Amino acid sequence: EVQLVESGGGLIQPGGSLRLSCAASGFIVSSGYMSWVRQTPGKGLEWVSVIYSGGSTHYADSVKGRFTISRDNSKNTLYLQMNSLRAEDTAVYYCARGKSGSFCFDYWGQGTLVTVSS
Amino acid sequence: QSVLTQPPSVSGAPGQRVTISCTGSTSNLGANYDVHWYQQLPGTVPKLLIYGNNNRPSGIPDRFSGSKSGTSGSLAITGLQVEDEADYYCQSYDSSLSGFVFGTGTKVTVL
Repeated sequence: EVQLVESGGGLIQPGGSLRLSCAASGFIVSSGYMSWVRQTPGKGLEWVSVIYSGGSTHYADSVKGRFTISRDNSKNTLYLQMNSLRAEDTAVYYCARGKSGSFCFDYWGQGTLVTVSS
Repeated sequence: QSVLTQPPSVSGAPGQRVTISCTGSTSNLGANYDVHWYQQLPGTVPKLLIYGNNNRPSGIPDRFSGSKSGTSGSLAITGLQVEDEADYYCQSYDSSLSGFVFGTGTKVTVL
């Protein structure tokens, strides 16, 4: 059974850093592509970043230069390092598995809330 | 900032048919990238509803169907049920952004 479990969210001051983790089970993270998607409370979904099986990464313009996506194959875990956090980064962050053969996401984690506030 | 535009809300009586549009551009839907749809029930995680324009994952009722033409996609719900009350999002890939894009979201209300 495919499972994604995020952790690492919390309250952080503007300008601070946080690292989110997404522990995967039931499949191999490095065999396909994985993304982070965020959702501001009460608002819509925003794609944040992707890492492909070959290791290439891409980011939304809103986080480029501040966020870094990575994975640890030995732990089958996806990460999102978030630096220089801003109030507008406040959101629930989901990790999502890319569906093979299609540019969409077939499994999502339960999400972890990041609140950026002083 | 969403690059796929959806109506904020649609509504219908139980048993009726409703449709949700998703308007993109020449760098996403118009560039031959597929449209996909997600359902987010209140307080839950988004769930893949339609992928590849008109394919349903296992377990999704055939009351849900999708289509795509040019720079627009569409989700249809026939035989609307109370449990279909949710937010619905379209999604695609954008070549100019080299990334994924979501729609603005549509709230479906069953009257």
